[in-house]
Amino acid sequence: GENVEQHPSTLSVQEGDSAVIKCTYSDSASNYFPWYKQELGKGPQLIIDIRSNVGEKKDQRIAVTLNKTAKHFSLHITETQPEDSAVYFCADPSGGYQKVTFGIGTKLQVIP
Amino acid sequence: EAGVTQSPTHLIKTRGQQATLRCSPISGHTSVYWYQQALGLGLQFLLWYDEGEERNRGNFPPRFSGRQFPNYSSELNVNALELEDSALYLCASSRRTANEKLFFGSGTQLSVL
Repeated sequence: GENVEQHPSTLSVQEGDSAVIKCTYSDSASNYFPWYKQELGKGPQLIIDIRSNVGEKKDQRIAVTLNKTAKHFSLHITETQPEDSAVYFCADPSGGYQKVTFGIGTKLQVIP
Repeated sequence: EAGVTQSPTHLIKTRGQQATLRCSPISGHTSVYWYQQALGLGLQFLLWYDEGEERNRGNFPPRFSGRQFPNYSSELNVNALELEDSALYLCASSRRTANEKLFFGSGTQLSVL
């Protein structure tokens, strides 16, 4: 969990379009992959997570996919809405002794 | 159920002073984490406390310290404040048995002038 690369750093989409954010991790022992959403003036909130024994998980308009071979996991938001505008962080909690490592964050802007 | 609460919401200090930030975890959570979120730099891990003990710390100087009280609330102290300490300080808590899922407070915005 020492290194999590996240991209893009910023993303603008038209309302109704899809958005995809990708993270790459380095530790092959990583087995839990959460995504957090941070709205302005608030702390990050867990929105979806996935464990390494599954390849995809969906919750209404959001989904997370995991490719263990390539060591990356992605957040997919479909039918984006203005309230989806926020900063999204991926995280890798496998850094030993609970040193959760976060990606740099992606600022998503949904244009009405 | 009340979420993670942090106080104060804003704190203004001058260089060289000390700052004390406080955090109350969700009821039933025994682990408390502190993160620094400086502008444009993402979330940097500071400290992890569990059952009153410091379990791990990130790459920060010793002037960043803290403690966890018997009721699992926590305090972050920053001594000899420097201008670059200006940031949002976030506290998170988790259950002992499901400590991958972090629940964050809204943070304390520290400004060092």
